[in-house]
Amino acid sequence: AQSVTQLGSHVSVSEGALVLLRCNYSSSVPPYLFWYVQYPNQGLQLLLKYTTGATLVKGINGFEAEFKKSETSFHLTKPSAHMSDAAEYFCAVSKMNSGGYQKVTFGTGTKLQVIP
Amino acid sequence: KAGVTQTPRYLIKTRGQQVTLSCSPISGHRSVSWYQQTPGQGLQFLFEYFSETQRNKGNFPGRFSGRQFSNSRSEMNVSTLELGDSALYLCASSWKGSDEQFFGPGTRLTVL
Repeated sequence: AQSVTQLGSHVSVSEGALVLLRCNYSSSVPPYLFWYVQYPNQGLQLLLKYTTGATLVKGINGFEAEFKKSETSFHLTKPSAHMSDAAEYFCAVSKMNSGGYQKVTFGTGTKLQVIP
Repeated sequence: KAGVTQTPRYLIKTRGQQVTLSCSPISGHRSVSWYQQTPGQGLQFLFEYFSETQRNKGNFPGRFSGRQFSNSRSEMNVSTLELGDSALYLCASSWKGSDEQFFGPGTRLTVL
């Protein structure tokens, strides 16, 4: 089973509109959760992460995500999209593998298009 | 401090050749992971090394191999290159593997 699922490979929003990128994970114990962003021809950059504590996590560039254990979700939001937010976004989860090691698994990514 | 560096940034090879890519992690990081990124398959995990030991491995054929040196620098090797190996190869380092990963800019490999 997939450890992390991102719904929607492509999302389009108008400039100034709410950005909502969905991520669901599968884990029997609370995992570490991450959102990364990738701009064209670059590596991935961490936006935010959840480890323990407050379930609403604030990241860079005005993004935030809420860890909802009951829904096994970690959706990424931003109140108002900016043209510079156009990029690909990856959700990731860190959980124990069968060998007893923590392993980070990435979702398939969501490309965000911002329409002027 | 310096970020993750990958060399070379661009590489062109022909089918059947082999290639070695290099990754220098952030100083103090002991975990190095490798990923293959293609438009069709997205981001796929290759393997992770921690303190010179391969700790996790993805579903890639044996043509893909890697190693990590005592200074945490890592190399990955692809033998008998195929057209489908054309991709962006990303390296990421972290302190312990389960935490935040810092990515390099990638090596763009083109197989002709």
